[in-house]
Amino acid sequence: DADVTQTPRNRITKTGKRIMLECSQTKGHDRMYWYRQDPGLGLRLIYYSFDVKDINKGEISDGYSVSRQAQAKFSLSLESAIPNQTALYFCATSDHAGRGQQETQYFGPGTRLLVL
Amino acid sequence: AQSVAQPEDQVNVAEGNPLTVKCTYSVSGNPYLFWYVQYPNRGLQFLLKYITGDNLVKGSYGFEAEFNKSQTSFHLKKPSALVSDSALYFCAVRDTGGYSTLTFGKGTMLLVSP
Repeated sequence: DADVTQTPRNRITKTGKRIMLECSQTKGHDRMYWYRQDPGLGLRLIYYSFDVKDINKGEISDGYSVSRQAQAKFSLSLESAIPNQTALYFCATSDHAGRGQQETQYFGPGTRLLVL
Repeated sequence: AQSVAQPEDQVNVAEGNPLTVKCTYSVSGNPYLFWYVQYPNRGLQFLLKYITGDNLVKGSYGFEAEFNKSQTSFHLKKPSALVSDSALYFCAVRDTGGYSTLTFGKGTMLLVSP
């Protein structure tokens, strides 16, 4: 979905390096998410943010940090990359639909990260 | 806690035949249920969702899913499969209480042969 963009699309880095993955959206959504996808494990939530001042840990936040620079931007950092962080990373956004509602999440194209 | 299971890693079907991709869930309250599809080298695309109301939900590309509360299932179906339906399909669930997030299944690869 062109409304959610991720950079870079592919990245190779070495163990111990700091790396940042960036996500931008033009959908005007308040909520943003970072997931990683591993074969056979599906998608697992790393961090999520319901607005600019709100950051929450997901299922697998260890080794990662995030920054919500603006409503439209949500960055994921690996402070010291390790090989088992090799994965496909997705950013997603959703709108706030109100309590009792469930908004749909819209995904970016993904960043394929290889840590050597 | 909430969880979702997709019992089949892969489903094979011939073009023109009906297809079913299975999903079962577990939540403490009532569920919101979703199906997403991932084509090669692409992000996930939303197919359909169940929030409330009719148990049969219709979505994109001719797909539909049936919510069965007693069996805690939300199977994805299509009456006539196309080769272009070949992709990875994810079921996801969220409990209706609070501001929890989606939990995804591990995915089912659908292969439609000509």
